[in-house]
Amino acid sequence: EAQVTQNPRYLITVTGKKLTVTCSQNMNHEYMSWYRQDPGLGLRQIYYSMNVEVTDKGDVPEGYKVSRKEKRNFPLILESPSPNQTSLYFCASGKGLRYNEQFFGPGTRLTVL
Amino acid sequence: KQEVTQIPAALSVPEGENLVLNCSFTDSAIYNLQWFRQDPGKGLTSLLLIQSSQREQTSGRLNASLDKSSGRSTLYIAASQPGDSATYLCAVSPSRDDKIIFGKGTRLHILP
Repeated sequence: EAQVTQNPRYLITVTGKKLTVTCSQNMNHEYMSWYRQDPGLGLRQIYYSMNVEVTDKGDVPEGYKVSRKEKRNFPLILESPSPNQTSLYFCASGKGLRYNEQFFGPGTRLTVL
Repeated sequence: KQEVTQIPAALSVPEGENLVLNCSFTDSAIYNLQWFRQDPGKGLTSLLLIQSSQREQTSGRLNASLDKSSGRSTLYIAASQPGDSATYLCAVSPSRDDKIIFGKGTRLHILP
Protein backbone atom coordinates (compact mmCIF):
# COMPACT_ATOMS: atom_id res chain seq x y z
CA GLU A 1 0.00 0.00 0.00
CA ALA A 2 1.34 3.42 -1.00
CA GLN A 3 1.74 5.49 2.12
CA VAL A 4 3.66 8.00 4.19
CA THR A 5 4.41 6.81 7.71
CA GLN A 6 5.48 8.83 10.72
CA ASN A 7 6.78 7.72 14.09
CA PRO A 8 6.01 8.25 16.82
CA ARG A 9 2.37 9.27 16.50
CA TYR A 10 2.32 10.83 19.96
CA LEU A 11 5.21 12.13 22.03
CA ILE A 12 5.46 13.96 25.32
CA THR A 13 8.91 15.20 26.21
CA VAL A 14 10.68 17.83 28.28
CA THR A 15 12.46 21.01 27.29
CA GLY A 16 15.94 20.45 25.91
CA LYS A 17 15.77 16.70 25.34
CA LYS A 18 16.75 15.99 21.75
CA LEU A 19 14.22 14.07 19.69
CA THR A 20 13.72 12.78 16.18
CA VAL A 21 10.47 12.21 14.35
CA THR A 22 10.85 9.79 11.47
CA CYS A 23 9.09 9.97 8.13
CA SER A 24 9.19 7.34 5.43
CA GLN A 25 7.45 6.96 2.07
CA ASN A 26 7.27 3.94 -0.20
CA MET A 27 6.28 5.70 -3.43
CA ASN A 28 9.77 6.66 -4.66
CA HIS A 29 8.88 10.34 -4.38
CA GLU A 30 11.51 13.00 -4.89
CA TYR A 31 9.82 15.80 -2.92
CA MET A 32 9.32 15.52 0.83
CA SER A 33 8.40 18.14 3.38
CA TRP A 34 7.52 18.78 7.01
CA TYR A 35 4.71 20.97 8.34
CA ARG A 36 3.44 22.02 11.69
CA GLN A 37 -0.21 22.77 12.33
CA ASP A 38 -1.30 25.14 15.07
CA PRO A 39 -4.76 26.50 15.91
CA GLY A 40 -5.37 29.82 14.19
CA LEU A 41 -2.12 29.58 12.21
CA GLY A 42 -2.92 26.69 9.91
CA LEU A 43 -0.32 24.50 8.27
CA ARG A 44 3.13 26.00 7.89
CA GLN A 45 6.03 24.43 6.06
CA ILE A 46 9.14 23.81 8.16
CA TYR A 47 11.59 22.24 5.72
CA TYR A 48 11.41 20.59 2.33
CA SER A 49 13.64 18.42 0.20
CA MET A 50 13.68 18.25 -3.58
CA ASN A 51 15.76 15.07 -3.59
CA VAL A 52 18.49 13.17 -1.75
CA GLU A 53 20.97 15.52 -0.07
CA VAL A 54 18.93 18.57 -1.18
CA THR A 55 17.06 20.35 1.61
CA ASP A 56 15.85 23.89 2.10
CA LYS A 57 14.05 26.02 4.65
CA GLY A 58 10.34 26.54 4.61
CA ASP A 59 8.57 29.37 6.41
CA VAL A 60 9.24 28.30 10.01
CA PRO A 61 12.61 26.45 10.16
CA GLU A 62 13.94 27.86 13.44
CA GLY A 63 14.65 25.16 16.02
CA TYR A 64 14.46 22.28 13.54
CA LYS A 65 16.89 20.26 11.45
CA VAL A 66 16.33 17.73 8.72
CA SER A 67 18.40 15.34 6.65
CA ARG A 68 17.77 13.43 3.43
CA LYS A 69 20.35 10.67 3.13
CA GLU A 70 17.97 8.25 1.44
CA LYS A 71 15.14 8.94 -0.92
CA ARG A 72 12.48 7.28 1.22
CA ASN A 73 13.35 8.87 4.60
CA PHE A 74 13.16 12.44 5.82
CA PRO A 75 13.57 12.71 9.61
CA LEU A 76 12.77 15.87 11.55
CA ILE A 77 15.20 16.63 14.37
CA LEU A 78 14.58 18.90 17.33
CA GLU A 79 17.97 19.38 18.96
CA SER A 80 16.67 21.28 21.99
CA PRO A 81 12.87 21.27 22.03
CA SER A 82 11.02 24.14 23.65
CA PRO A 83 7.35 24.47 24.69
CA ASN A 84 6.59 26.64 21.64
CA GLN A 85 7.32 23.59 19.48
CA THR A 86 4.30 21.82 20.93
CA SER A 87 2.26 21.16 17.83
CA LEU A 88 0.85 18.65 15.37
CA TYR A 89 3.46 17.72 12.79
CA PHE A 90 2.86 16.32 9.33
CA CYS A 91 5.23 14.82 6.81
CA ALA A 92 4.29 14.80 3.13
CA SER A 93 5.73 13.53 -0.13
CA GLY A 94 5.10 13.96 -3.84
CA LYS A 95 6.73 12.85 -7.05
CA GLY A 96 7.63 16.46 -7.72
CA LEU A 97 6.17 19.87 -7.13
CA ARG A 98 5.10 21.01 -10.53
CA TYR A 99 2.54 18.47 -11.61
CA ASN A 100 2.06 16.13 -8.75
CA GLU A 101 -0.20 15.92 -5.76
CA GLN A 102 1.17 15.73 -2.25
CA PHE A 103 0.43 12.81 0.08
CA PHE A 104 0.40 13.30 3.83
CA GLY A 105 1.32 11.13 6.76
CA PRO A 106 -1.03 10.61 9.73
CA GLY A 107 0.61 13.22 11.91
CA THR A 108 2.69 13.32 15.10
CA ARG A 109 1.31 15.14 18.10
CA LEU A 110 4.23 16.54 20.10
CA THR A 111 3.99 18.07 23.55
CA VAL A 112 7.06 19.73 25.05
CA LEU A 113 6.79 20.39 28.79
CA LYS B 1 5.28 36.58 -0.75
CA GLN B 2 2.46 34.21 -1.65
CA GLU B 3 -0.52 34.30 0.71
CA VAL B 4 -3.52 31.99 0.62
CA THR B 5 -6.86 32.95 2.15
CA GLN B 6 -9.95 30.85 2.70
CA ILE B 7 -13.31 32.42 3.40
CA PRO B 8 -15.42 31.67 5.34
CA ALA B 9 -13.48 30.17 8.24
CA ALA B 10 -16.52 28.11 9.22
CA LEU B 11 -19.76 27.16 7.53
CA SER B 12 -22.88 25.25 8.56
CA VAL B 13 -25.44 24.13 6.00
CA PRO B 14 -28.38 21.72 6.02
CA GLU B 15 -27.91 18.31 4.48
CA GLY B 16 -28.68 18.11 0.77
CA GLU B 17 -27.64 21.64 -0.10
CA ASN B 18 -25.03 22.49 -2.70
CA LEU B 19 -22.22 24.66 -1.38
CA VAL B 20 -19.10 26.52 -2.47
CA LEU B 21 -15.86 26.97 -0.58
CA ASN B 22 -13.51 29.75 -1.60
CA CYS B 23 -9.73 30.01 -1.81
CA SER B 24 -7.79 33.04 -2.97
CA PHE B 25 -4.07 33.54 -3.51
CA THR B 26 -2.01 36.68 -4.06
CA ASP B 27 0.51 35.56 -6.69
CA SER B 28 -0.79 33.95 -9.87
CA ALA B 29 2.59 32.34 -10.63
CA ILE B 30 1.72 28.83 -9.45
CA TYR B 31 2.34 25.31 -10.67
CA ASN B 32 -0.88 23.94 -9.26
CA LEU B 33 -3.51 24.21 -6.55
CA GLN B 34 -4.64 21.29 -4.40
CA TRP B 35 -7.72 20.84 -2.22
CA PHE B 36 -7.52 18.65 0.89
CA ARG B 37 -9.91 17.37 3.48
CA GLN B 38 -8.93 17.00 7.14
CA ASP B 39 -11.01 15.25 9.77
CA PRO B 40 -10.46 16.30 13.42
CA GLY B 41 -7.09 15.12 14.70
CA LYS B 42 -6.34 13.31 11.46
CA GLY B 43 -4.06 13.73 8.49
CA LEU B 44 -4.87 15.37 5.18
CA THR B 45 -6.59 13.57 2.35
CA SER B 46 -6.07 14.89 -1.15
CA LEU B 47 -9.34 15.66 -2.93
CA LEU B 48 -8.46 17.39 -6.19
CA LEU B 49 -5.35 18.75 -7.88
CA ILE B 50 -5.68 21.45 -10.54
CA GLN B 51 -2.70 22.27 -12.75
CA SER B 52 -2.09 25.93 -13.61
CA SER B 53 -3.13 25.24 -17.21
CA GLN B 54 -6.47 23.72 -16.19
CA ARG B 55 -9.75 25.43 -15.36
CA GLU B 56 -11.43 22.69 -13.35
CA GLN B 57 -11.30 19.16 -12.02
CA THR B 58 -14.13 16.88 -10.95
CA SER B 59 -14.36 13.89 -8.67
CA GLY B 60 -17.78 12.52 -7.82
CA ARG B 61 -19.78 15.23 -6.06
CA LEU B 62 -16.78 17.56 -5.94
CA ASN B 63 -15.80 20.11 -8.53
CA ALA B 64 -12.86 22.47 -8.18
CA SER B 65 -12.28 25.43 -10.43
CA LEU B 66 -9.24 27.62 -10.91
CA ASP B 67 -9.02 31.19 -12.20
CA LYS B 68 -5.31 31.83 -12.05
CA SER B 69 -5.44 35.37 -13.37
CA SER B 70 -7.77 36.50 -10.60
CA GLY B 71 -6.09 34.34 -7.96
CA ARG B 72 -9.17 32.34 -7.06
CA SER B 73 -10.29 28.76 -6.71
CA THR B 74 -13.61 27.33 -5.62
CA LEU B 75 -14.57 23.88 -4.35
CA TYR B 76 -18.16 23.01 -5.17
CA ILE B 77 -19.80 20.22 -3.17
CA ALA B 78 -23.08 18.92 -4.55
CA ALA B 79 -25.85 17.40 -2.46
CA SER B 80 -23.95 17.72 0.81
CA GLN B 81 -24.04 14.87 3.35
CA PRO B 82 -23.22 14.73 7.08
CA GLY B 83 -20.10 12.72 6.17
CA ASP B 84 -18.79 15.79 4.33
CA SER B 85 -18.31 17.53 7.68
CA ALA B 86 -14.58 18.27 7.94
CA THR B 87 -12.06 21.05 7.45
CA TYR B 88 -11.23 21.80 3.82
CA LEU B 89 -7.82 23.21 2.99
CA CYS B 90 -6.39 24.59 -0.21
CA ALA B 91 -2.68 24.77 -0.98
CA VAL B 92 -0.72 26.34 -3.82
CA SER B 93 2.69 25.45 -5.23
CA PRO B 94 4.26 28.77 -6.25
CA SER B 95 6.44 28.59 -9.33
CA ARG B 96 8.82 31.23 -7.92
CA ASP B 97 10.14 28.81 -5.30
CA ASP B 98 9.77 25.22 -4.14
CA LYS B 99 7.47 25.74 -1.18
CA ILE B 100 3.84 24.83 -0.66
CA ILE B 101 1.57 27.43 0.95
CA PHE B 102 -1.65 26.49 2.72
CA GLY B 103 -4.75 28.46 3.56
CA LYS B 104 -6.10 28.20 7.11
CA GLY B 105 -9.07 26.17 5.97
CA THR B 106 -12.85 26.26 6.10
CA ARG B 107 -14.49 24.18 8.81
CA LEU B 108 -17.64 22.71 7.30
CA HIS B 109 -20.53 21.30 9.31
CA ILE B 110 -23.41 19.59 7.51
CA LEU B 111 -26.55 19.56 9.60
CA PRO B 112 -28.60 16.31 9.42
